[in-house]
Amino acid sequence: DAGVIQSPRHEVTEMGQEVTLRCKPISGHNSLFWYRQTMMRGLELLIYFNNNVPIDDSGMPEDRFSAKMPNASFSTLKIQPSEPRDSAVYFCASSLGQFEPQHFGDGTRLSIL
Amino acid sequence: QKEVEQDPGPLSVPEGAIVSLNCTYSNSAFQYFMWYRQYSRKGPELLMYTYSSGNKEDGRFTAQVDKSSKYISLFIRDSQPSDSATYLCAMSAGNNRLAFGKGNQVVVIP
Repeated sequence: DAGVIQSPRHEVTEMGQEVTLRCKPISGHNSLFWYRQTMMRGLELLIYFNNNVPIDDSGMPEDRFSAKMPNASFSTLKIQPSEPRDSAVYFCASSLGQFEPQHFGDGTRLSIL
Repeated sequence: QKEVEQDPGPLSVPEGAIVSLNCTYSNSAFQYFMWYRQYSRKGPELLMYTYSSGNKEDGRFTAQVDKSSKYISLFIRDSQPSDSATYLCAMSAGNNRLAFGKGNQVVVIP
């Protein structure tokens, strides 16, 4: 049973470059979440989708961040332009619905130089 | 005041000891309570999931929720080196938004 799949696992890029993170949720799950984890702030919700529709993007830090979910099996989180303070581990999670637990991928470790 | 408080201080225990972790929260609307385990360079893995107050046991793990005190706990009995990880509490009012604690790093020493 495949879990949430994220790619790439690691990304190192220079400031100003565009970064695209990808996520494939668990098949049949209709809610998808993007989180960011840092030592200082812990896990923070950036945005979540229900049935491919963005529901709450209040956690997206700035206009430089955008997320899409073109279909039920794929989502992207894009940062353009990237800055060193965006360095963190980005997690994608999915769940069956509102009252169901969330299952996480193994994250993308992003370093912006 | 943060919604969820979890003392992030590392905790070292000898193998076989009982590990006790806890979180406090401020939002009385929280009804769903979770504990996640996170190994180094991996994603959080759901360990325990409880609704409202009470206890839940799963093998060596026991989760307790005291809504009147806004306090939740996780106990690990007969701790093993494989239990060495970071443990995060999380809670929700049932609206898909999870509030996480910062996590407790646990080291079980053989």
